Amino acid sequence: AQKVTQAQTEISVVEKEDVTLDCVYETRDTTYYLFWYKQPPSGELVFLIRRNSFDEQNEISGRYSWNFQKSTSSFNFTITASQVVDSAVYFCALSVFNDYKLSFGAGTTVTVRA
Amino acid sequence: NAGVMQNPRHLVRRRGQEARLRCSPMKGHSHVYWYRQLPEEGLKFMVYLQKENIIDESGMPKERFSAEFPKEGPSILRIQQVVRGDSAAYFCASSPNQGLNSGNTIYFGEGSWLTVV
Repeated sequence: AQKVTQAQTEISVVEKEDVTLDCVYETRDTTYYLFWYKQPPSGELVFLIRRNSFDEQNEISGRYSWNFQKSTSSFNFTITASQVVDSAVYFCALSVFNDYKLSFGAGTTVTVRA
Repeated sequence: NAGVMQNPRHLVRRRGQEARLRCSPMKGHSHVYWYRQLPEEGLKFMVYLQKENIIDESGMPKERFSAEFPKEGPSILRIQQVVRGDSAAYFCASSPNQGLNSGNTIYFGEGSWLTVV
């Protein structure tokens, strides 16, 4: 069985601060896929990134960056120079090879104050 | 969430009524998934469908819940005789034909919020 742990329930920062969201996963499969989704106050789920287990390159997209470390089973997400529009719940999710179900973490609520 | 259409966005039902939630996948996607987001419980898989086939309904409650994805038209999640515990956000998602193994990604709709009063 797969498990995703997002230990941080809530994070509150002031605008322009950096914020890092932790995600730790558990799986016995050697091929798996990791995702981050954003759920803003309006409620929709917005896809942010997908990472395959065989690709350990870190990725940067604008103010967002992701640090994938297989050795610690972590896939952390950093928002640099946060903005009020970044306020949302962020979910980390995991799926394994030949499966289609996503196992979600409990989510981290990020509040960015002006 | 490019193009997965769900309706209604918000639905209020009295206990004992039926709720029907509709989902049109992204163009070209033939795989549809339903997830439920209960308060304090996070997002949980419910069912996976392809056109005219239920592939995996292991996450569906045994009673009152059903899903279909007909040859024509949207996927429907149907909840009969709703109870207060059914109040939740129901998300539909879709993926391309090959599924997750081929590098594809699941895209979610905006969700349907069901409130049972």
